[in-house]
Amino acid sequence: QVTLRESGPALVKTTQTITLTCTFSGFSLTTSGIFVSWIRQPPGKALEWLALIDWHEDKYYNTSLKTRLTISTDTSKNQVVLTMTNMDPVDTATYYCARIPPGGKAAGLGFDYWGQGALVTVSS
Amino acid sequence: SYELTQPPSMSVSPGQTASIACSGDKLGNRYACWYQLRSGQSPLLLIYQDDRRPSGIPERFSGSNSGNTATLTISGTQTMDEADYYCQAWDSTTPVFGGGTKLTVL
Repeated sequence: QVTLRESGPALVKTTQTITLTCTFSGFSLTTSGIFVSWIRQPPGKALEWLALIDWHEDKYYNTSLKTRLTISTDTSKNQVVLTMTNMDPVDTATYYCARIPPGGKAAGLGFDYWGQGALVTVSS
Repeated sequence: SYELTQPPSMSVSPGQTASIACSGDKLGNRYACWYQLRSGQSPLLLIYQDDRRPSGIPERFSGSNSGNTATLTISGTQTMDEADYYCQAWDSTTPVFGGGTKLTVL
């Protein structure tokens, strides 16, 4: 059974750095073709893709946020970590991690499992 | 960068058919996926590879993709289908989401 769970601080202050952790089970990020991604949704706004890491530990970032994001993995702990620097109130959002199954990107399989989301509020 | 455009909102009566469009340059040459996002819940994959349903997704949800437009069709819409719907495709190596469509069932 595949599960993903996000964890991290619910409240941060402007200019701070936030670290979000996605702990998953039911699959391994060392499996060929697997991807894990971070996606967020500000209140009342659309889904926004943030970052992606694959089984080779190749990393991809939203170009508009690239300078502020770092994605990494700890395969021994089945975790994917996202760090975002210089937080601003506009970064207030629910942050999700989600999985793309093996071969999914090329074959258009989509994000098949999502975590429950972590609400992060940035206060000034 | 690649962009996907959806109508912000639409409404449908229960039992009727809802068709939600997603447009992008030559979108038909890429695979499209669709997600449902109900209030307070995580996104749910409804359609992948343009027109395939994951296990457990009702048959009333169907998809198509041709030219510049992908379409999610909900046949026999139910009140429980009231939600936000997002299309998604790939821009080379990175995913792109549409702006979402709020579907009201009334």
